[in-house]
Amino acid sequence: AQSVAQPEDQVNVAEGNPLTVKCTYSVSGNPYLFWYVQYPNRGLQFLLKYITGDNLVKGSYGFEAEFNKSQTSFHLKKPSALVSDSALYFCAVRDRAGGSYIPTFGRGTSLIVHP
Amino acid sequence: GAGVSQSPSNKVTEKGKDVELRCDPISGHTALYWYRQRLGQGLEFLIYFQGNSAPDKSGLPSDRFSAERTGESVSTLTIQRTQQEDSAVYLCASSPPAGSNTEAFFGQGTRLTVV
Repeated sequence: AQSVAQPEDQVNVAEGNPLTVKCTYSVSGNPYLFWYVQYPNRGLQFLLKYITGDNLVKGSYGFEAEFNKSQTSFHLKKPSALVSDSALYFCAVRDRAGGSYIPTFGRGTSLIVHP
Repeated sequence: GAGVSQSPSNKVTEKGKDVELRCDPISGHTALYWYRQRLGQGLEFLIYFQGNSAPDKSGLPSDRFSAERTGESVSTLTIQRTQQEDSAVYLCASSPPAGSNTEAFFGQGTRLTVV
C-alpha cells in the first residue's frame, strides 16, 4: 500500500521569507513523487515531480522540492514567498514498481502568505 | 481540447435524484481518474480507467456510484439516489499510459450540492 502524510494543515509565512511545506510518504518500492497546487474553485495544477536522478527538483513559480530517501520525505520549498503563493498544496505518490498506477494524495496543506 | 474538461461546473440537485458528471480527458491520454474532494478534505480516490476498462473500482463508496468510459475518451460518473453526504467537488484527471512517469492533469471539477 502507498500513503502520503502532510503533517501540517496550515502553514503561515511572511512575504519574502522562505517557506517549507512538508510531505512524507510510504511505498513498498521506489516512488514517483508529485506536488500540486490548488487555487480557490480551481482544479489541481502540477508544480513539480521527482522521478529519478538529482534529489533536488525545480518546478514552476520558483518552487523546488528535495527528495530524501532515508527520511522518506519530499518537502516543498521556496526561497522567498509571495502573497500570490497562498493556496492549497497537495503532495502525491505513486509506487514505481507496484501494481497500482493510481496516485495517492495527501490531505493538503493550506499555505497563507502574509503581506 | 487543450486540457481536461468537466461538466457541469456546478450542479445542485435534490436528495434522491440521479446525477451524471462528465469528463473529457486530454486527447491521447489512456489513463483517467476520478477523485472526490469534500470541503476541507484531501482527495479521495474513486475509480481509475485504463482505456475503457476500469481495473480499479475500489474507491467507489457505494453501489449508488458507477462510472463508464467510451472510445478511450469521455467518462461519465453517475450517482444514483443522491444523498447529502455526496456533496463535494468531483475531480477528473487524465494522464498518458499508466506506468509512465508523467503527472496527471486535472480538470476544474464539478461542484455537486445535494439539498
